Amino acid sequence: DVKVTQSSRYLVKRTGEKVFLECVQDMDHENMFWYRQDPGLGLRLIYFSYDVKMKEKGDIPEGYSVSREKKERFSLILESASTNQTSMYLCASRTNAGYNEQFFGPGTRLTVL
Amino acid sequence: DAKTTQPTSMDCAEGRAANLPCNHSTISGNEYVYWYRQIHSQGPQYIIHGLKNNETNEMASLIITEDRKSSTLILPHATLRDTAVYYCIVRVYSGNTPLVFGKGTRLSVIA
Repeated sequence: DVKVTQSSRYLVKRTGEKVFLECVQDMDHENMFWYRQDPGLGLRLIYFSYDVKMKEKGDIPEGYSVSREKKERFSLILESASTNQTSMYLCASRTNAGYNEQFFGPGTRLTVL
Repeated sequence: DAKTTQPTSMDCAEGRAANLPCNHSTISGNEYVYWYRQIHSQGPQYIIHGLKNNETNEMASLIITEDRKSSTLILPHATLRDTAVYYCIVRVYSGNTPLVFGKGTRLSVIA
């Protein structure tokens, strides 16, 4: 069974802390994505990566960075967390080929106090 | 920006067919229509996709108009577990292009 896992289901951090959200997929997918989801705003793309060490900005990259050192792992980094980054964060992966169904992780609900 | 327009919400009686419409009037010739759904507290899940022919799988049917400017997702016998937000997305068939999600349609299946 295909799987995308995220390091935490719930996370509480303080303003100014550096936060790492980890995502791992076991499907050997080339593409990986980070979205955030907020009530009334839907899913918004933060960053994506189509290969190891490659990254592309999505629609809302400000305040975030990413790292992809290995194919199976894609990390989202909040350099200095702020309260407006309180949100649900969803990771996804998919292959380049075919109709490339996108698989999502369960999400991390981050609260910044 | 999302290239699709969907109603904000719909209700459906349990056991009846749920018909979810989507407008995509600016769809390009090489773009497919994809449907995903998101059940509360879970990540989105793929349902079905199509180019111009009607498609059916174990979850749903997809009807695309001849001019490809709109489509309808059909859940033939809706159950309470089908209560979710349904997203209609257009994108090219493969490659690196990200999925861009709109607001979707919140379907409530009522007993």
